[in-house]
Amino acid sequence: DTGVSQNPRHKITKRGQNVTFRCDPISEHNRLYWYRQTLGQGPEFLTYFQNEAQLEKSRLLSDRFSAERPKGSFSTLEIQRTEQGDSAMYLCASSLGRGSEAFFGQGTRLTVV
Amino acid sequence: KNQVEQSPQSLIILEGKNCTLQCNYTVSPFSNLRWYKQDTGRGPVSLTIMTFSENTKSNGRYTATLDADTKQSSLHITASQLSDSASYICVVSDDSWGKLQFGAGTQVVVTP
Repeated sequence: DTGVSQNPRHKITKRGQNVTFRCDPISEHNRLYWYRQTLGQGPEFLTYFQNEAQLEKSRLLSDRFSAERPKGSFSTLEIQRTEQGDSAMYLCASSLGRGSEAFFGQGTRLTVV
Repeated sequence: KNQVEQSPQSLIILEGKNCTLQCNYTVSPFSNLRWYKQDTGRGPVSLTIMTFSENTKSNGRYTATLDADTKQSSLHITASQLSDSASYICVVSDDSWGKLQFGAGTQVVVTP
């Protein structure tokens, strides 16, 4: 499968625990995006990388959230001290450049109990 | 305020019928507009991408239109099938680094 891969697909965690999600983009894509989606809503932008550089972060990305893309390939999104409001689908997408199609992964569904 | 507004929020149509979904946006400067189909519990899949110079684009039974002057787009589904049941999301990209602004989606349910 040469599409965008996200792991894990599902994560259930207790409130206060830390979680980390991984995204493997399509190999030649230099742009990588993270989005969060709650039920019945469209995806909300979290952050964006061009190669290894994190170029923009949303206000939604509080100091409990951190994202990295250390070698310009895969990316990780970490949430520290999870809260129930963090429960959502976390989507990763990658693209070749501005104006090119963005391909999404299947998402990681986080449930904080 | 969301810069991409979609209507209706949801609709139910009979199999074989046509339907049209609407998208209004205020994103500026504008780079391109995309329609995505998202099945429940899965990531969005691109249907069409249009730049400001394109008025219409088709992908099988899906036809998207764009009026960049009025900042409106529509997605027309012809001869709907049960597999068309999904959320259809309008996404507008700005002209800076290509940030994607998502609408809330229209939930389409096709019934036999």
